[in-house]
Amino acid sequence: QVQLVESGGGVVQPGRSLRLSCAASGFTFSSYGMHWVRQAPGKGLEWVAFIWFDGSNKNYADSVKRRFTISRDNSKNTLYLQMNSLRAEDTAVFYCAREGQNYAMDVWGQGTTVTVSS
Amino acid sequence: QSALTQPPSASGSPGQSVTISCTGASSDVGGYNSVSWYQQHPGKAPKLMIYEVSKRPSGVPDRFSGSKSGNTASLTVSGLQAEDEADYYCSSYVGSLVVFGGGTELTVL
Repeated sequence: QVQLVESGGGVVQPGRSLRLSCAASGFTFSSYGMHWVRQAPGKGLEWVAFIWFDGSNKNYADSVKRRFTISRDNSKNTLYLQMNSLRAEDTAVFYCAREGQNYAMDVWGQGTTVTVSS
Repeated sequence: QSALTQPPSASGSPGQSVTISCTGASSDVGGYNSVSWYQQHPGKAPKLMIYEVSKRPSGVPDRFSGSKSGNTASLTVSGLQAEDEADYYCSSYVGSLVVFGGGTELTVL
C-alpha cells in the first residue's frame, strides 16, 4: 500500500545538526513532489519545505531558509531534510507528505519527533 | 507568510451541520483554487479531506464539503458524527509556498 515512513528524529543540542529521512513505498516516488510539515507540541501545522518530483526546484518557509535543506534520492525512494543550526523553536513532530493535486498533501507519514534541548 | 485565520473552536450536536471558516487574502486563498482541508485526530497524522477548494479524495464521506467566497474558504461537515471530533486545518498555495491556518478544534457535543 502507499506508505511514507519517517526516521532520524531524536534529541539534539541547540546549534547542532540532524538529518531526517522519509522512505516511500507503494507508488512511483519519482513522479511526485514532496513536502515536509512540522507541528510543535500543542501547536498547529507549519509547512517547512517542498521539492519537485525531480529535485530541480525547492521552496522553503522563511523560518527555516538557509538552515534546512530538502533533497531526495529517487533511486532509493527517499526524501531527506537536513537541519542545521537547530534552535529550541524547531522542536516538533516532522511529517513528510506527498504532493497530490494543486498543493494538496494526499499521503502523510506517521511523523518523527525532533527535540532541540541542551 | 502569515497564517490563515481559523476560529479556534467549533461545535455541534450529532446530526447537525457545522461550518469552519478560513480567512486569508487575495494573495493566497482569494487568488488560487488551491485550498485544502485536513483532519487530525490526537496523536495521529493529518488526513486530506478536501482539495482544490471543494473536491473530495476517494474515501472521504460526502458529509464533508468545501467552498470559497472571496478571501474566505469554508469547510462544512453535515450530519455530524462522533468520529468527526478532531482538529481541522486549512491550507493554501501562496506563490510557490504553502501556508496553513491555525487550526479549529471541532467538538461533537
